[in-house]
Amino acid sequence: DSGVTQTPKHLITATGQRVTLRCSPRSGDLSVYWYQQSLDQGLQFLIQYYNGEERAKGNILERFSAQQFPDLHSELNLSSLELGDSALYFCASSLPGQSGANVLTFGAGSRLTVL
Amino acid sequence: DQQVKQNSPSLSVQEGRISILNCDYTNSMFDYFLWYKKYPAEGPTFLISISSIKDKNEDGRFTVFLNKSAKHLSLHIVPSQPGDSAVYFCAARSRVFQGGSEKLVFGKGMKLTVNP
Repeated sequence: DSGVTQTPKHLITATGQRVTLRCSPRSGDLSVYWYQQSLDQGLQFLIQYYNGEERAKGNILERFSAQQFPDLHSELNLSSLELGDSALYFCASSLPGQSGANVLTFGAGSRLTVL
Repeated sequence: DQQVKQNSPSLSVQEGRISILNCDYTNSMFDYFLWYKKYPAEGPTFLISISSIKDKNEDGRFTVFLNKSAKHLSLHIVPSQPGDSAVYFCAARSRVFQGGSEKLVFGKGMKLTVNP
């Protein structure tokens, strides 16, 4: 158990629908990151939140949005879903600003299947 | 534009032999490089890292080498064990920090199979 909790583990939905993925970071971590892993693709950075505020943005589609709440958990909202949105979505957390490599700790992921 | 590249999708080695996983990058602003290991149905887990000011870092059976002039790093696993069979991701971090803004850029991963 990495200490990063993601729910749901699996989700099957239809095109055009909207889903919400949830992430609870490791205790003490202030930053939450969202990554998408599609078939044959690496981990694509979507967005980072630090203590409730957006800090960095990657290749996140306009149909996707995220937020980090005061208790530091985060939600990734995916709307108007398309077949190509089927992927593994990983949440990671860290305590940035420290010296060293700032290792990200990942959750087990949420597998989204859009039919 | 892929800034971190793992050009070989897979590698198969015999137990006890050396496994060498390669990674190339294009962004000279990266200041740390990391390797993550991923088993099926689990999230990636951190393995080892190296600062851009070093050329080697060793942790038990795992050693990472960095060649900045070639923008290349490699992970050596000696001796390889069947439990090392997993997907390995190379990742790099940008040097610029802006109020807690940090992100890792990952390669596509390489599947390592260690045969008994």
